[in-house]
Amino acid sequence: DAKTTQPNSMESNEEEPVHLPCNHSTISGTDYIHWYRQLPSQGPEYVIHGLTSNVNNRMASLAIAEDRKSSTLILHRATLRDAAVYYCTGNYGGATNKLIFGTGTLLAVQP
Amino acid sequence: NAGVTQTPKFRVLKTGQSMTLLCAQDMNHEYMYWYRQDPGMGLRLIHYSVGEGTTAKGEVPDGYNVSRLKKQNFLLGLESAAPSQTSVYFCASSPTGFTEAFFGQGTRLTVV
Repeated sequence: DAKTTQPNSMESNEEEPVHLPCNHSTISGTDYIHWYRQLPSQGPEYVIHGLTSNVNNRMASLAIAEDRKSSTLILHRATLRDAAVYYCTGNYGGATNKLIFGTGTLLAVQP
Repeated sequence: NAGVTQTPKFRVLKTGQSMTLLCAQDMNHEYMYWYRQDPGMGLRLIHYSVGEGTTAKGEVPDGYNVSRLKKQNFLLGLESAAPSQTSVYFCASSPTGFTEAFFGQGTRLTVV
């Protein structure tokens, strides 16, 4: 199965934008790119997903490279509550979808 | 609306004992997943199901069995628990597999 690669950790200041990168060079053309985040001692929480076009929702934006080999999760104004592990995942398998997680990026937000 | 509910939340097993973890979802989702998360690690897919009566292996299926006899329930079984299976187990469900997955709060399992 294809894997995703993310930096182990990143830091941001409160109220500044955060750009979290992810490489998924082996993703196939029909696989969606998902982002989840996990707060301490909680289950993962959906953030956003997309296929080819950039996507926006109330939580974040997802910018997908034209060749789909990478994507960037954008938090427009980081808050202390955004401190979490962010996972870029691939939805692999075509007809039998498997949501495969990488190791994630630990985001620290400084006040 | 309860979402995804995992039972139990905590459990301590002795090596060689067996147990079943229950995942229940009330959203009529087709897809269900079982993951394990070891300390400081990401989630690894154990088994998954794309509909009632179906199951498939994920990344780390050895030592686990699953069943999906009813659409709303996905059971994860450990026939003979080993200390290496000490972990936090998460269940998730999704309507189609392409869209948002909803996760339970996890089951913390310790095998001594």
